[in-house]
Amino acid sequence: GNSVTQMEGPVTLSEEAFLTINCTYTATGYPSLFWYVQYPGEGLQLLLKATKADDKGSNKGFEATYRKETTSFHLEKGSVQVSDSAVYFCALSAQGGSEKLVFGKGTKLTVNP
Amino acid sequence: GAGVSQTPSNKVTEKGKYVELRCDPISGHTALYWYRQSLGQGPEFLIYFQGTGAADDSGLPNDRFFAVRPEGSVSTLKIQRTERGDSAMYLCASSQTGTGATEAFFGQGTRLTVV
Repeated sequence: GNSVTQMEGPVTLSEEAFLTINCTYTATGYPSLFWYVQYPGEGLQLLLKATKADDKGSNKGFEATYRKETTSFHLEKGSVQVSDSAVYFCALSAQGGSEKLVFGKGTKLTVNP
Repeated sequence: GAGVSQTPSNKVTEKGKYVELRCDPISGHTALYWYRQSLGQGPEFLIYFQGTGAADDSGLPNDRFFAVRPEGSVSTLKIQRTERGDSAMYLCASSQTGTGATEAFFGQGTRLTVV
């Protein structure tokens, strides 16, 4: 079946450090890929997405590139801020499926000043 | 409302009791989803509605779980004979069309505790 595996946390970084959170997936065909973020005390919200191979999603300085050859969608940011502290979830929506999201376990990021 | 609203935000119930969890999606969104999230895990799909009908209920764990969306807007997740293992955060999401690439908007969830 479809699944998402993401880097286990927690991850602790200093402000302005470089961030990578790894995400790989298993799915048939060409799923759509997403990163969702959950800030403390808030609901899940979409951070970025990519719907086909080689697409790059970007938002708020975060980027992720859909790599079909490595079945990956790693999240990166060049310089993190304290306000980026949150839990990040990688997810997929299967091609031709029921539009449900399949999530990874989440990675908690803490950024210290 | 401006976003997806879920009530109650917290629910504590005794083992064996019946509970209902409510989701009020964004106005005009035809697709509605329920997910369950255990501590330290990602959300797991339960059921998907397109309009009034359940298009995919493959994630419901057993027949104690049931959901309705009678008028294509508000949805209720119903759990009968609750068990301690049902304790989790229950999330509702809605999207405009339900196509795979459409953004899903999530509510803040209902935390269910079965004691």
